[in-house]
Amino acid sequence: AQSVTQLGSHVSVSEGALVLLRCNYSSSVPPYLFWYVQYPNQGLQLLLKYTTGATLVKGINGFEAEFKKSETSFHLTKPSAHMSDAAEYFCAVSVRKFYFGTGTSLTVIP
Amino acid sequence: SQTIHQWPATLVQPVGSPLSLECTVEGTSNPNLYWYRQAAGRGLQLLFYSIGIDQISSEVPQNLSASRPQDRQFILSSKKLLLSDSGFYLCAWSDFSAGRYEQYFGPGTRLTVT
Repeated sequence: AQSVTQLGSHVSVSEGALVLLRCNYSSSVPPYLFWYVQYPNQGLQLLLKYTTGATLVKGINGFEAEFKKSETSFHLTKPSAHMSDAAEYFCAVSVRKFYFGTGTSLTVIP
Repeated sequence: SQTIHQWPATLVQPVGSPLSLECTVEGTSNPNLYWYRQAAGRGLQLLFYSIGIDQISSEVPQNLSASRPQDRQFILSSKKLLLSDSGFYLCAWSDFSAGRYEQYFGPGTRLTVT
């Protein structure tokens, strides 16, 4: 069975600090992997995706994620947090069906 | 380019009243369509998905139903709302045939059942 685990339902970072949001998945076949961002009272917006090819993928707003097959991970990072990054972040896996993690709420402290 | 619309944006309905939420997609043909519900502070719960007209699968048994009267139109309905139906409803689409495995979401409908 496929599943997605996001470690830490709440993460706080200082403005300018590194952002690291963790995502681990379980899948019996190579998955497609995604990160989404959701601002309050809005729909989800695709940040980045991994399907094939380069394992380090860059997305919008300065975010990037690295697919590590050996660790079954797809962690999201950003070198320097900005106040506007405060939002809910969802990791997702697509293996015939779509599976979402439970989300991580990111708070940026000024 | 593709766009997805949902309406209404917000809705306040009394318990026992009917519900109809609409979602339409523009700029693509025969998309896969999805309805999700997001309770306050919770993750996403898949309610229905559709791979074509009149091809709808239900993920969670409940008092909600979905219909797809046209290729790019997806409707979520209920005959009698419950308090537990309150939440943020999101419609999404994907197009595997175009090699696009990601889902694209609409702006959502905030439903409050009183």
